[in-house]
Amino acid sequence: DSGVTQTPKHLITATGQRVTLRCSPRSGDLSVYWYQQSLDQGLQFLIQYYNGEERAKGNILERFSAQQFPDLHSELNLSSLELGDSALYFCASSVTTEGNTEAFFGQGTRLTVV
Amino acid sequence: AQSVAQPEDQVNVAEGNPLTVKCTYSVSGNPYLFWYVQYPNRGLQFLLKYITGDNLVKGSYGFEAEFNKSQTSFHLKKPSALVSDSALYFCAVRDGGATNKLIFGTGTLLAVQP
Repeated sequence: DSGVTQTPKHLITATGQRVTLRCSPRSGDLSVYWYQQSLDQGLQFLIQYYNGEERAKGNILERFSAQQFPDLHSELNLSSLELGDSALYFCASSVTTEGNTEAFFGQGTRLTVV
Repeated sequence: AQSVAQPEDQVNVAEGNPLTVKCTYSVSGNPYLFWYVQYPNRGLQFLLKYITGDNLVKGSYGFEAEFNKSQTSFHLKKPSALVSDSALYFCAVRDGGATNKLIFGTGTLLAVQP
């Protein structure tokens, strides 16, 4: 158990809908990362937060947004869903953004858009 | 930009034989390199990291990795493979800068035959 908790584990929704994925980082970790894993794109970095503030954006669509709350948990919001958004979404956390620290991953949320 | 490459989509090895999963990197500055493993329907688990120092890094589950600066490689190794080692292995590098997000390779599927 990595200590990173993601809910829900599975999500099935229709095209055009909006969903929220939740992540609780390991105790004491200030940095949260979101990644998308799909068969054709591999592991793609979406967005990073550090202590409540957005630090970096990767290949995140405008239909997607995220935030990190004062208690450090994070939510990834996906709206106007399309079939191509079906993927495994991972949250990871690390103590700092220093390069020598590893990130710990949650078990992911598998999103299926039908 | 920092990047890693995993040249093999799949590696097949017999149980009890040594295994190697290859990774090469391209970075400016000092590389911070990581290996993660993903079992079916699970999140990524941290195996080991190279930050500085000894070129042979030991990690979890009997895995080790050899850092080679001249060949810009960071190959994952294990002296004796187990069937339970069958999984998807990812090499990653820290991006550097303020975010230091992890950039992943495309992954290598390790199949250990009994």
